[in-house]
Amino acid sequence: ILNVEQSPQSLHVQEGDSTNFTCSFPSSNFYALHWYRWETAKSPEALFVMTLNGDEKKKGRISATLNTKEGYSYLYIKGSQPEDSATYLCAFRGNAGNMLTFGGGTRLMVKP
Amino acid sequence: EPEVTQTPSHQVTQMGQEVILRCVPISNHLYFYWYRQILGQKVEFLVSFYNNEISEKSEIFDDQFSVERPDGSNFTLKIRSTKLEDSAMYFCASRRSRGVQETQYFGPGTRLLVL
Repeated sequence: ILNVEQSPQSLHVQEGDSTNFTCSFPSSNFYALHWYRWETAKSPEALFVMTLNGDEKKKGRISATLNTKEGYSYLYIKGSQPEDSATYLCAFRGNAGNMLTFGGGTRLMVKP
Repeated sequence: EPEVTQTPSHQVTQMGQEVILRCVPISNHLYFYWYRQILGQKVEFLVSFYNNEISEKSEIFDDQFSVERPDGSNFTLKIRSTKLEDSAMYFCASRRSRGVQETQYFGPGTRLLVL
């Protein structure tokens, strides 16, 4: 059974704060690591697909890094806004198939 | 922007009844998936489907479950005889190709409640 873990489970920050959270995953048989942003009652929105060790990707104020050797990825949000409030999910794809194994998510709440 | 749609958004059923959850994947996508999330737990993979057949399935996906792509646009998940523990949010996803950079696009989910 693959173990994908995210921390923290939840996070409350003030508007304007920068924040980061972690996804840890198996370092063997790595193929890709996906990040999603999920607001209640909406579809999970794809943020990044990370594939190479040392990858860093950016989308606006959100960026992510990847370390496949030690099995972790960080998601950073610079200058959080209330509209960033959502659950952030990471999902591991191994090289044995094309299914995704999800972490438990980090629920971010940004107070105005 | 193309999106994955799912119907219904909510379904309540009695234990032992059959339910069919429907999904319309993005039109040029070739790979289709069902996942579910039981309240308070992680999102779990159920099944993947390609070229009109199941390509992978998890231990959860037993004989009570089946999938079908009946008409080239819809993708359905059938639960033959629902159990209380089938209560969950069911997500459909689709992907254009197997490429490593390809994203799985998710629908908004169907919340199933089995009484």
